[in-house]
Amino acid sequence: NAGVTQTPKFQVLKTGQSMTLQCAQDMNHEYMSWYRQDPGMGLRLIHYSVGAGITDQGEVPNGYNVSRSTTEDFPLRLLSAAPSQTSVYFCASSYSRVSNTEAFFGQGTRLTVV
Amino acid sequence: AQKVTQAQTEISVVEKEDVTLDCVYETRDTTYYLFWYKQPPSGELVFLIRRNSFDEQNEISGRYSWNFQKSTSSFNFTITASQVVDSAVYFCALSVVNQGGKLIFGQGTELSVKP
Repeated sequence: NAGVTQTPKFQVLKTGQSMTLQCAQDMNHEYMSWYRQDPGMGLRLIHYSVGAGITDQGEVPNGYNVSRSTTEDFPLRLLSAAPSQTSVYFCASSYSRVSNTEAFFGQGTRLTVV
Repeated sequence: AQKVTQAQTEISVVEKEDVTLDCVYETRDTTYYLFWYKQPPSGELVFLIRRNSFDEQNEISGRYSWNFQKSTSSFNFTITASQVVDSAVYFCALSVVNQGGKLIFGQGTELSVKP
């Protein structure tokens, strides 16, 4: 049982480049989300999805796009990378938005934008 | 709006000392859930505990214990007889009813346990 799988683990981008961070879960969880972790700021919600075809913005959505075409996958797209997007990114999933069960996190992606 | 505050940025203790990590939250919702996660140096996030707003009983799990007090909006975490393996960043988080998975995190407390 893989849980939540994120790829890649590390990435260096040049300013202006685009890329997609992949996230997949095999637990049939309804709810998926993306967070970024910055020093001294904890984790902040970027985008989330309550089910296939439904996405919404979190606290810090600017510069990122998401889509949820299947229950399993929730990719995060950086449209035009900026140094301010240097961060550690975590994908998470949880059983449903109603049950408020714990979230399961991927291993994280350390992104550096130069 | 919801908010979680972990005022202790860093704590350093010597092995076998007891240590308490503070967590204060703000929400106007009457039904909410509180969580603690551990982030060891390897970087993954490990779930420790979930507590709903109607259950104020303290919980103990081995060397870990949690004190939930609605009167002070606090959900503190105590490690008894700390060990080097407890060294990590600990996050407190909050979610409100019907927004499960939408977690509001505190800033985190970095705990260093020295031998």
